[in-house]
Amino acid sequence: KQEVTQIPAALSVPEGENLVLNCSFTDSAIYNLQWFRQDPGKGLTSLLLIQSSQREQTSGRLNASLDKSSGRSTLYIAASQPGDSATYLCAVIPIKAAGNKLTFGGGTRVLVKP
Amino acid sequence: DGGITQSPKYLFRKEGQNVTLSCEQNLNHDAMYWYRQDPGQGLRLIYYSQIVNDFQKGDIAEGYSVSREKKESFPLTVTSAQKNPTAFYLCASSEQGMNTEAFFGQGTRLTVV
Repeated sequence: KQEVTQIPAALSVPEGENLVLNCSFTDSAIYNLQWFRQDPGKGLTSLLLIQSSQREQTSGRLNASLDKSSGRSTLYIAASQPGDSATYLCAVIPIKAAGNKLTFGGGTRVLVKP
Repeated sequence: DGGITQSPKYLFRKEGQNVTLSCEQNLNHDAMYWYRQDPGQGLRLIYYSQIVNDFQKGDIAEGYSVSREKKESFPLTVTSAQKNPTAFYLCASSEQGMNTEAFFGQGTRLTVV
């Protein structure tokens, strides 16, 4: 069974520092990996989708890498701002899962201090 | 403005009562999903539907029911058989296919009173 882990569960950094968020998964047989942002009491906002054939995706200050062989993805957020404070979740679609069901990690709660 | 609309934002349920959470999407997506989020447990799949008039149980379907009579709508009913329904419920949708992006609504917080 696919398991997704995000460590650490919480992270605090000063404004301007680069953020590095980790996601690991146990089964490399995935269709894709998706990173989300969740603000308190809100839904999930999709940040980046990396297909299994890709190594990375970029959007503005965000860059996500994927290494299927080692079962890891990393989300980089450059020059962090207080507005980046949120919980970040990663999720994979395992090839063995019917219906394109996402398997989520527990999330990393990020605080960017001014 | 395309997206997923969940209503209500807050819902209170009395013991023994059934309640229905609404999820509507105008993204023309075939697949829709219901997840439950509890503190410290992440998101868990309740039900999903890949096409109108068809749906499948997820990992924690007991005490819940769904219907998919229209492509744009996927309501979730929390029945009295669900013993611990207090949670944050999230609806999502995506296109069919293996490399598709999932989009989420803003969630409904259900509290048992």
